[in-house]
Formats: sequence, C-alpha cells, structure tokens
Amino acid sequence: AQSVTQPDIHITVSEGASLELRCNYSYGATPYLFWYVQSPGQGLQLLLKYFSGDTLVQGIKGFEAEFKRSQSSFNLRKPSVHWSDAAEYFCAVGSTASKLTFGTGTRLQVTL
Amino acid sequence: DVKVTQSSRYLVKRTGEKVFLECVQDMDHENMFWYRQDPGLGLRLIYFSYDVKMKEKGDIPEGYSVSREKKERFSLILESASTNQTSMYLCATKPATGRNTEAFFGQGTRLTVV
Repeated sequence: AQSVTQPDIHITVSEGASLELRCNYSYGATPYLFWYVQSPGQGLQLLLKYFSGDTLVQGIKGFEAEFKRSQSSFNLRKPSVHWSDAAEYFCAVGSTASKLTFGTGTRLQVTL
Repeated sequence: DVKVTQSSRYLVKRTGEKVFLECVQDMDHENMFWYRQDPGLGLRLIYFSYDVKMKEKGDIPEGYSVSREKKERFSLILESASTNQTSMYLCATKPATGRNTEAFFGQGTRLTVV
C-alpha cells in the first residue's frame, strides 16, 4: 500500500533563511507526487506537482521540489523564506482510484 | 477558478445527534472526497465518490456515511455523532479519473461534538 512520511512535525526558520521540508513516499509504481500548503483556518492549496520528466519542479510562491527515485524522496525547498510562508505543508502521493494519500504534515514557523 | 464550498465553517453538535456536512462544487468534476484532519495524523480519507450515487469507503469510514444524489453535491453524514468525531473535515474534488490530477479543497468545517 502507498504511504507518505514527513519526518519533521514542526520546523522553525528565520525570515530570509533557506527551507527544506522532507517527504519520503512508498509506492509500487511511478509515483505522482504533490505538495500542498494550508494556511491557518484555510483549505489546502496546491504548491507543485511531479508526474514525469525533469526531476526538479517549480511551483507557486517561489517553492521548488526535487524528485529522487533512488531515495524515494520529494523534498520541498525555498531559498529565502518569508513570514507569510508560515503554514502547514503536506506531501501527498496520487494512488489508485484517483485518491490522494497524505503525509502527517509539517508545521512551519517563521521568526522575524 | 474551481470553487468548492462547504456549508459551514464551524459547527457544534451534541453527542448522538445526526449531523450533515455539505459540499458543493461549481465545476463538472467526477470525483469528490471527504477527508478528516487531526493534529499529528494529517488527512485521512473517509469516503469518496467517482460518480453520482457511487461511493467507496476510504481508510476510516466507521461512523460515517455519504450521499451523492447530484454531481455537484457530496454530503457526509454522521449518523450518531460522538466526541471522537470532533475534528476538521475537508471536502475535495478532482476533475478526472487518474492519479495525475490535482485535488481542489474547500475551506473546511471544524466540527465540535459536545
């Protein structure tokens, strides 16, 4: 069965610092991978997705993610974090029957 | 833009009550989903529907049922609410069958059962 692991429950970074959020997946076939962000009190918004091709994908709000098949990872990065990036971030894998399987999320706190 | 609307942002219900959570989409999406979100557990799939009157159980269907009489509306029903169903509930839609399409989410309904 498919699964997603986000090993970091909570991360704190200073504004302007770089960010990397980790995501590891388990899926038997070619994975379809997603990163979503949830601002406080809001639903989830898609940041970026990977289906095939270039393993470095660009998303909205200056985020990017790199797919590494050998490590079963799809880590999210941003070179310089802004205070407005404080939110919860979810990694997900597209599984059978159109379902999405989500990780447990990483809460990002940004200090000024 | 796709719009997914959940009928309530906040809901307080008593133990044993029958609770209806409604979700409406304004696009012609075949797939609709109900997730439950709890701290430290992420999003867990309760039920999903890939067509009108069609439904399939997700990972945690116990204590819930669903209804999809029209393509644009997907309802989650708690037959007899219990305190352990206090949670954030998120509705989502997807435009087509397949693993490579993104899901669009509603704002969520925070349900408290007292």
